[in-house]
Amino acid sequence: ETGVTQTPRHLVMGMTNKKSLKCEQHLGHNAMYWYKQSAKKPLELMFVYNFKEQTENNSVPSRFSPECPNSSHLFLHLHTLQPEDSALYLCASSRDRDSSGNTIYFGEGSWLTVV
Amino acid sequence: GENVEQHPSTLSVQEGDSAVIKCTYSDSASNYFPWYKQELGKRPQLIIDIRSNVGEKKDQRIAVTLNKTAKHFSLHITETQPEDSAVYFCAASVSNYKLTFGKGTLLTVNP
Repeated sequence: ETGVTQTPRHLVMGMTNKKSLKCEQHLGHNAMYWYKQSAKKPLELMFVYNFKEQTENNSVPSRFSPECPNSSHLFLHLHTLQPEDSALYLCASSRDRDSSGNTIYFGEGSWLTVV
Repeated sequence: GENVEQHPSTLSVQEGDSAVIKCTYSDSASNYFPWYKQELGKRPQLIIDIRSNVGEKKDQRIAVTLNKTAKHFSLHITETQPEDSAVYFCAASVSNYKLTFGKGTLLTVNP
């Protein structure tokens, strides 16, 4: 299944590094999402993009900077992260943000370790 | 905002037995309740969902029930198989996109 593809799958970065996570969806969807999955905590919605426009920023620190150049691609730019930011970052997409029956499809995730 | 509680956090059953996972939600306006299965190292995948105008939905060995009055919903898996072993997440949503997830239930099906 290659509907939502994330790269890299694993990333180790220092606190002063700048890196980016990439997500691409081949489902013809118009909404894309970033979620954070940490151990012992629920999946947390970070950002929502609908038709390339950011519609939700769930109080995410500015060291996480999303970018959505088109409806098929979503990036998460990372800068001066903290060790507590280590987690699985999941990208997801759906037909659009507001349709009924709006199933959300997840990518495999990018495992991020901040050292 | 919405708060979703999920129980139990771990569940171990023998192959062939049934498994039940329960979730409660706080926002009475929530109207969409999906369940996701996440195998180790894999992506969460939708296995079944239910909307607030329906009390029960079934898909082969999986069923979900919703009690709007009590604000709780449950996942029922019958005739469990080892391949059902995974983490299961419930979620609730007022809108169609802003899902609030429970913390997950690790289900282990012992052969």
